[in-house]
Amino acid sequence: DQQVKQNSPSLSVQEGRISILNCDYTNSMFDYFLWYKKYPAEGPTFLISISSIKDKNEDGRFTVFLNKSAKHLSLHIVPSQPGDSAVYFCAARDSWGKLQFGAGTQVVVTP
Amino acid sequence: NAGVTQTPKFQVLKTGQSMTLQCAQDMNHEYMSWYRQDPGMGLRLIHYSVGAGITDQGEVPNGYNVSRSTTEDFPLRLLSAAPSQTSVYFCASSSRTLNTGELFFGEGSRLTVL
Repeated sequence: DQQVKQNSPSLSVQEGRISILNCDYTNSMFDYFLWYKKYPAEGPTFLISISSIKDKNEDGRFTVFLNKSAKHLSLHIVPSQPGDSAVYFCAARDSWGKLQFGAGTQVVVTP
Repeated sequence: NAGVTQTPKFQVLKTGQSMTLQCAQDMNHEYMSWYRQDPGMGLRLIHYSVGAGITDQGEVPNGYNVSRSTTEDFPLRLLSAAPSQTSVYFCASSSRTLNTGELFFGEGSRLTVL
C-alpha cells in the first residue's frame, strides 16, 4: 500500500513560470520529507527537504511547503528553466529511517 | 569523487539465470540500500543495510538476496531471474550524521529478463 502518492504523472510549464508539484502521504509518523530530481539514464539527486516540524523550506528557486493537517506537501519552482525538465520524486522518511517514494512527476519546461 | 558506483549498467538475462549487481560507495556511509524503479510505481525498496553484517528486507524483497561484508560494498543477487524482475535498479547510501535522511544514488543498472 503506497503511503506516498504523486497523483500527477506529468506537468508541462512555460519557461519563466511557476511549477507546482504535489505530494500526499498517509503516515503521520513520517519525520522528514524530501524531493529528488532525476534525469534520464542517471540516478536521482537530492533537491530539497523539510522536517515535519516546519511548514516551509526555501533554497534558491525551490520551495517546499508542508501542510501536516492535510498530509500534503508541494514543491514550487520559480522561475522554471529548461534544465528543470526531469522526473521529480517525493519521498518521506518513516520511523525506521527508510525512505518511501512516490511514483514521480515528469516535468517538461517549454520555451 | 566516485560516490556510489554500480556495475553493470546494462544486463540481459534469460529466465532462470542468476546474477549479481555490484554496488560500492567510498563515502564511509553506514546505510546502504537497493531500490527498483518501475513505470508508475516510483522507487521501491528491496533490501537495506545499516552496517556491515546487518541486512533487512524492504518492500519487495522476494527473489533477491543481499549481504554486507564490508562498509563499502552491498551486492544484490538475483537467485533465479524472472521477467517480473525486468527493471532499473538503484543502489543508494547515506550517513546517519545526515539526519535529513538524504540518500546518495548510483547511476542505475538496467536489467532485462527474457
